[in-house]
Amino acid sequence: GAVVSQHPSWVICKSGTSVKIECRSLDFQATTMFWYRQFPKQSLMLMATSNEGSKATYEQGVEKDKFLINHASLTLSTLTVTSAHPEDSSFYICSAKRTPRLSNTEAFFGQGTRLTVV
Amino acid sequence: GQNIDQPTEMTATEGAIVQINCTYQTSGFNGLFWYQQHAGEAPTFLSYNVLDGLEEKGRFSSFLSRSKGYSYLLLKELQMKDSASYLCAVIKDDKIIFGKGTRLHILP
Repeated sequence: GAVVSQHPSWVICKSGTSVKIECRSLDFQATTMFWYRQFPKQSLMLMATSNEGSKATYEQGVEKDKFLINHASLTLSTLTVTSAHPEDSSFYICSAKRTPRLSNTEAFFGQGTRLTVV
Repeated sequence: GQNIDQPTEMTATEGAIVQINCTYQTSGFNGLFWYQQHAGEAPTFLSYNVLDGLEEKGRFSSFLSRSKGYSYLLLKELQMKDSASYLCAVIKDDKIIFGKGTRLHILP
């Protein structure tokens, strides 16, 4: 199947600093990538949809100025958590769809990034 | 909006069969996924249903009834490695929206 690589796998940062997470589709072009956040023992919550060459679409309640998304190429999307606070500590997962219509195939997930803000 | 409901936890015995149910209420339904997720890892694709009926894939089967807003994942010949969370997710507006997941515990 298609491969999505997420980097880093885990990161620890100090409160108030910014952290960038990368999501790459390694063997296909992804016009759209999705960013999710998952707190312990909870499900994946969709944060935003990242579209190549255009602004990301954020879900209700997600601060776009705090979670900056850039989808500069067909194989790379980045999520930057700005001015991180301990409550931002979570598991962040990206996924990418290979075909224009999501209903035709599954989305492929990165391995996730465990962010801990101290 | 959308509501996706599934049991929080279930327990089953190694070698047995377990059925995990999922009900959903959403407009613009375009398909339903089941994913498996082990703790600390990304979800792994299990199945995709867009038409009514049963899809069988090895030990796992998934069923969908669109008129009832209902799906289930059936796991046969349970193995210890099947201990994981199972996530029901629907496609809405070309996005995948997840339910809260069911944590399945397998007893020897």
